[in-house]
Amino acid sequence: QVQLQQSGPGLVTPWQPLSLTCAISGDSVSSNSATWNWIRQSPSRGLEWLGRTYYRSKWYYEYEVSVKSRITINPDTSKNQFSLQLTSVTLEDTAVYYCARETYSSGANFGMDVWGQGTTVTVSS
Amino acid sequence: QSVLTQPPSASGTPGQGVTISCSGRSSNVGNNYVYWYQQLPGTAPKLLIYRNNQRPSGVPDRFSGSYSGTSASLAISGLRSEDEADYYCAAWDGSLSGYVFGTGTKVTVL
Repeated sequence: QVQLQQSGPGLVTPWQPLSLTCAISGDSVSSNSATWNWIRQSPSRGLEWLGRTYYRSKWYYEYEVSVKSRITINPDTSKNQFSLQLTSVTLEDTAVYYCARETYSSGANFGMDVWGQGTTVTVSS
Repeated sequence: QSVLTQPPSASGTPGQGVTISCSGRSSNVGNNYVYWYQQLPGTAPKLLIYRNNQRPSGVPDRFSGSYSGTSASLAISGLRSEDEADYYCAAWDGSLSGYVFGTGTKVTVL
């Protein structure tokens, strides 16, 4: 059974970086049949996909346009996890952050079928 | 911010059916698969429908998905109290090169 366990601080000071980690059990971050995503949810913005990383002979990174200049998603093969870093956070980055696995089989996308438990991140001084 | 439009609420009595719409455009719903997620209070979203109308193992056949043009729908038949949740559609957007989600629909079982 695949599980994603999130960790990271729940409080971030404005203009500081936000860093979260998603540890994977039951699958591999280097899997050729998965992508590893970060999504956030806030009352004002709803569910918002932030980006993903995946391995297909090399690593790929795709980011949502509005955060592209501030976001980095990194895989860590030694620890079988992936991370989210969002720089220069403002109050608008206050949200519940989720990591999620998106599964592929024979090239077909089966959706984001496994989610982390969510981390509430508050940006405040 | 949400790009796909859903009605904010839907309701029905136990045993009834409800249908939730998801309106997009050619860059997302019109040319890419739609996914539906169920979110119970205080929990992470759960995959309900993938590739427009496919159910993952364990999802009851009371849930069904369909699409036409730039719109998709989620139908819930035989409503049960445990179906009371928020429902979101999602699709890849080729113009944005990223996933977009719906505004969400809160289903209430009266």
